Amino acid sequence: KQEVTQIPAALSVPEGENLVLNCSFTDSAIYNLQWFRQDPGKGLTSLLLIQSSQREQTSGRLNASLDKSSGRSTLYIAASQPGDSATYLCAVRTTDSWGKFQFGAGTQVVVTP
Amino acid sequence: ETGVTQSPTHLIKTRGQQVTLRCSSQSGHNTVSWYQQALGQGPQFIFQYYREEENGRGNFPPRFSGLQFPNYSSELNVNALELDDSALYLCASSSSRGQYGYTFGSGTRLTVV
Repeated sequence: KQEVTQIPAALSVPEGENLVLNCSFTDSAIYNLQWFRQDPGKGLTSLLLIQSSQREQTSGRLNASLDKSSGRSTLYIAASQPGDSATYLCAVRTTDSWGKFQFGAGTQVVVTP
Repeated sequence: ETGVTQSPTHLIKTRGQQVTLRCSSQSGHNTVSWYQQALGQGPQFIFQYYREEENGRGNFPPRFSGLQFPNYSSELNVNALELDDSALYLCASSSSRGQYGYTFGSGTRLTVV
């Protein structure tokens, strides 16, 4: 059974610092991994999707890496801004899961001005 | 291109009642998944529909049921509501059973009293 862990659960940084968010998973037979952002009480906004054959994806200030052998993905957010304050969720789909995502509990990020 | 639309946005029901939540998938998407997110936790997979057939289910009792229509919109029905059913219900759609990732709606906040 796939288990997904996100550490730390919460993070507070001053504006301008780089953010590093970690996601670990127990089953390396993944199909893809998706990072989402969630504002309080809202739905999920997709940030980056990494297919199992890829090592990283980039979009603007965001970069996500994937290391299947060690069961890890890392989301980097460069030069953080107060608008980056949100909860960041990692979701893993394994190859036999018929589309089911296993989510981590998320990392709550606060960027202070 | 429209995104995923969920209705209603908020709902209050009494224990023992039944509820129907609705989801319009993103244009071009033929797969719909439903998730339940309790406060402070990551979303939990309920089930997925692909071309009007259920093709995956999480650890939810049979009183959670669903439908997908020919236009790929979907309904989630919950019978005999319990207090623990209070949560944010998220719908996600994709093409090709999630090969290119999922797009989530803004969710329906269900409160059972």
